[in-house]
Amino acid sequence: GENVEQHPSTLSVQEGDSAVIKCTYSDSASNYFPWYKQELGKGPQLIIDIRSNVGEKKDQRIAVTLNKTAKHFSLHITETQPEDSAVYFCAASGEYGNKLVFGAGTILRVKS
Amino acid sequence: GAVVSQHPSRVICKSGTSVKIECRSLDFQATTMFWYRQFPKQSLMLMATSNEGSKATYEQGVEKDKFLINHASLTLSTLTVTSAHPEDSSFYICSAWDYRKEEQYFGPGTRLTVT
Repeated sequence: GENVEQHPSTLSVQEGDSAVIKCTYSDSASNYFPWYKQELGKGPQLIIDIRSNVGEKKDQRIAVTLNKTAKHFSLHITETQPEDSAVYFCAASGEYGNKLVFGAGTILRVKS
Repeated sequence: GAVVSQHPSRVICKSGTSVKIECRSLDFQATTMFWYRQFPKQSLMLMATSNEGSKATYEQGVEKDKFLINHASLTLSTLTVTSAHPEDSSFYICSAWDYRKEEQYFGPGTRLTVT
């Protein structure tokens, strides 16, 4: 089955700096890669996703890149703000609507 | 994004009793919903996949007789924790697949405490 590894487990950055979180997956058949942000005591919130027919996607300060050959994808947050502090999870899915396999999560701390 | 609600947000129950958690997709129909369990400082663990009108598919190691799932309509799935014990205390989160957007949205979670 699919296995998703996520690094780093914790990341501290200064406000205004960029943050990068990386994930690798094992199943070459996976074709959907969402990223979720989870604040303490709340459910995960979808922030961006990418499908295997696209190499990069951007939404304001957030971007995701996908390298299918290497089987890894990354989340890039630019101009970080204190409210970006949260746990971020990457995930992979083998087909639309199918179950997601999650990475272990990254605790992002943005210091002001 | 699409809205998924869960009720209750918090519940405390006595050991041996059953607890029902509801998950609703508020602005879209969801033929597939998922139930997760999350321990403190850990990732989400998929418990089961709930398909409208059919039996749920449970992940390995999840007791289907203990965690009863019903997906009676396109907007509602329920998880019933039967004969709850303190080790069932956890954060339970549902999600729903929005086939229009081909994206999965999560509910706010339910904190279950069994005393």
